[in-house]
Amino acid sequence: GAVVSQHPSRVICKSGTSVKIECRSLDFQATTMFWYRQFPKQSLMLMATSNEGSKATYEQGVEKDKFLINHASLTLSTLTVTSAHPEDSSFYICSAQTTDGDEQYFGPGTRLTVT
Amino acid sequence: DQQVKQNSPSLSVQEGRISILNCDYTNSMFDYFLWYKKYPAEGPTFLISISSIKDKNEDGRFTVFLNKSAKHLSLHIVPSQPGDSAVYFCAASGRGWGKLQFGAGTQVVVTP
Repeated sequence: GAVVSQHPSRVICKSGTSVKIECRSLDFQATTMFWYRQFPKQSLMLMATSNEGSKATYEQGVEKDKFLINHASLTLSTLTVTSAHPEDSSFYICSAQTTDGDEQYFGPGTRLTVT
Repeated sequence: DQQVKQNSPSLSVQEGRISILNCDYTNSMFDYFLWYKKYPAEGPTFLISISSIKDKNEDGRFTVFLNKSAKHLSLHIVPSQPGDSAVYFCAASGRGWGKLQFGAGTQVVVTP
């Protein structure tokens, strides 16, 4: 089956610093990737839709200047959490949609802890 | 505003018995529903889906039922196995596939 990887799997950073999370589709091309966030014991919340070669579309309440998304190729999207604060600590998951739109595959997630 | 709701945070079932997970939704524009299974520290993996034009879809031990008038769907796992112990998320999508709205999840524990 299709594989989506995320790097790093776990990161700890200090408050005020920026962290970049990569999402890669390893064996297929993904025109569209999605970024989700999951707080403990809560559902996955869609943050933004990332389209290759264009600006990301953010969900209501998600600060686009804080969560920078770049989708520079058909296999890579990055999420940069800028000026991270402890309340940004969460589990971030990406998913990649096949170009025919039939399937969506999730990455393993990145655990971000901001101290 | 939570458009997809899973009101049971946990479910314990004996091995070999049936697990029934429930999901309710509020948005009548949803036309595609999916169930995902998630282990700790891993991303969700797709389990089974159903489109709004159907009321039942079966795949091996997993069956999803959709009641559009009640805006309710359920996932049946039979027989339940210890490896089924995980968190199960219900998700819904509007026309065109893509953006998913997730429920809060149900933790299933299958006991020997």
